[in-house]
Amino acid sequence: EVRLVESGGAVVQTGGSLRLSCAASGFSFGEHNMNWVRLIPGKGLEWVALINWDGDSAYYAESVRGRFTISRDNNVNSLYLQMDSLRTEDSALYYCVKGGGYFALDVWGQGTTVAVSS
Amino acid sequence: IQLTQSPPSLSASVGDTVTITCRASQDITTYLAWYQQKPGNAPRLLMYGASTLKSGVPSRFSGSGSGADFTLTIRNLQPADFGTYYCQQVNNYPYTFGGGTKVEIK
Repeated sequence: EVRLVESGGAVVQTGGSLRLSCAASGFSFGEHNMNWVRLIPGKGLEWVALINWDGDSAYYAESVRGRFTISRDNNVNSLYLQMDSLRTEDSALYYCVKGGGYFALDVWGQGTTVAVSS
Repeated sequence: IQLTQSPPSLSASVGDTVTITCRASQDITTYLAWYQQKPGNAPRLLMYGASTLKSGVPSRFSGSGSGADFTLTIRNLQPADFGTYYCQQVNNYPYTFGGGTKVEIK
């Protein structure tokens, strides 16, 4: 069974940092691009970042570029999101998502909640 | 690239056909995906490449379009089809989602 399990969500103050993790199982993790997507309450889905299969390339939403860093460790089938200089507008449910055919996001974790308070 | 979905919400009866549109601010060829999200659940991929149904998704869902205009059609609407539907372009970074269409069953 293909599975993605996020962890690391917490309540943090503005300006603080947080590191999200995602444990992958049931597929060849090192062969797929991986993404972080967030669900902002009352606003919808926002794509956050992508890292390619071998970790050589990463892309970010403009809203997080320069503050968030996506990384992966293919040896332990894990994806990470380092979040620095957090803002209240970063409060959301963060999903770890596998990239699939035609670059669509084909497998989603259940999410981890980040709440940034002022 | 901005994606504009319409309508923002709709209410329809079981058995109806509903259509959701997604317009891109520039040409994205067919690099468009559709997702369904129900409250409390993660989004679920329905369609990719604008018109290719993901395995296991009921055939009453269909997608069409290319360039900048796309459509998701649900025929013979079922109670399980409630939720919010999102389009997403994966042609250019940063990837972007549409604002969502909330589907309610009357």
